[in-house]
Amino acid sequence: DAGVIQSPRHEVTEMGQEVTLRCKPISGHNSLFWYRQTMMRGLELLIYFNNNVPIDDSGMPEDRFSAKMPNASFSTLKIQPSEPRDSAVYFCASSLFVESNYGYTFGSGTRLTVV
Amino acid sequence: KNEVEQSPQNLTAQEGEFITINCSYSVGISALHWLQQHPGGGIVSLFMLSSGKKKHGRLIATINIQEKHSSLHITASHPRDSAVYICAAQLQGAQKLVFGQGTRLTINP
Repeated sequence: DAGVIQSPRHEVTEMGQEVTLRCKPISGHNSLFWYRQTMMRGLELLIYFNNNVPIDDSGMPEDRFSAKMPNASFSTLKIQPSEPRDSAVYFCASSLFVESNYGYTFGSGTRLTVV
Repeated sequence: KNEVEQSPQNLTAQEGEFITINCSYSVGISALHWLQQHPGGGIVSLFMLSSGKKKHGRLIATINIQEKHSSLHITASHPRDSAVYICAAQLQGAQKLVFGQGTRLTINP
């Protein structure tokens, strides 16, 4: 398996533009997570899905952020409109949630810069 | 106070030294994760443990559930071990991870 695949690796955009980050989880994994990492706040969970259903989106900063998982092999995180404070590295991770026996596999991240 | 606290925040050592990174948490957990992140790189899951001790090569992770404390040890440290090590608590009854701030480890040759 190629692991968790994120695209793009780097994104530079102007304030106000829409940004879409993409993630392909590991085949067979049933949970998918979006995390954001900044120098100030470290790693934070934004949202996670079980079997394509959003379970906890309490970490989504505001209505400008939205995430979808239309099927088991694809998820998107959209920011519209983007702001400079959204600049961060966004990680996607997936796991196989079997009771008390699961680990996480992280993607390589998308480094987003909003200017 | 953060729910997951790591110490030290920064650690510099010489090659070959025994390294210990500590993690304390204040929440109920189902598991404790140790992650590694190299500069500019992705995140790798090193260990997931809910009791006792796990070993992988030169890395050892221990957890004391009663004391809500975990440690990550590196034996015979090497410059390639230089990275940020992150402790994350898997909340009880959920899949959500709560992260420590990370420990930046630098091993000098």
